[in-house]
Amino acid sequence: NAGVTQTPKFRILKIGQSMTLQCTQDMNHNYMYWYRQDPGMGLKLIYYSVGAGITDKGEVPNGYNVSRSTTEDFPLRLELAAPSQTSVYFCASRHTDTQYFGPGTRLTVL
Amino acid sequence: GENVEQHPSTLSVQEGDSAVIKCTYSDSASNYFPWYKQELGKRPQLIIDIRSNVGEKKDQRIAVTLNKTAKHFSLHITETQPEDSAVYFCAGPNAGGTSYGKLTFGQGTILTVHP
Repeated sequence: NAGVTQTPKFRILKIGQSMTLQCTQDMNHNYMYWYRQDPGMGLKLIYYSVGAGITDKGEVPNGYNVSRSTTEDFPLRLELAAPSQTSVYFCASRHTDTQYFGPGTRLTVL
Repeated sequence: GENVEQHPSTLSVQEGDSAVIKCTYSDSASNYFPWYKQELGKRPQLIIDIRSNVGEKKDQRIAVTLNKTAKHFSLHITETQPEDSAVYFCAGPNAGGTSYGKLTFGQGTILTVHP
């Protein structure tokens, strides 16, 4: 099992550009999550999904969108990038109570 | 939703000493408390967790204690080693038992173990 994988590892965006952060898990987990981690801070929940076709907002959803068409994939979309979205983004999937994190995407918006 | 406060923000110890990190939570219905370790540039990884029907749990050099009355839980690392140096996060379930597994994370503790 590859576990939770994320692409890309790094990305630099200009203000106003759009991009999709990819997240895939091969553990057949229904629950998936997107977090952002700002420097020196904890993780904040952006969006989550309890299964294919079901998503909901977390603590900091503004400026982001998600979709969940399959159990495996949970992409995060940034439509109009802003400097405030500079962060490290982690995707996670959950089995029983344990969340398993992907390696993260480091995003810089200039 | 849940509010999780973590202290201290930084902790420096000598190799072989013990380290204790404490978290408080606000929602008395919370029933699951994990601890994650994050090495520099890496993903968070679960190191230990505890459920509300248990007061203490140990796994080799790490242990977690839970005080439901006072609404706090603590991570204890004994015989610290340089490889224990990392950022440690506590977490609590968001909105209690029907949270869909959502977690609220503490702010993190930077632990440095000096050889």
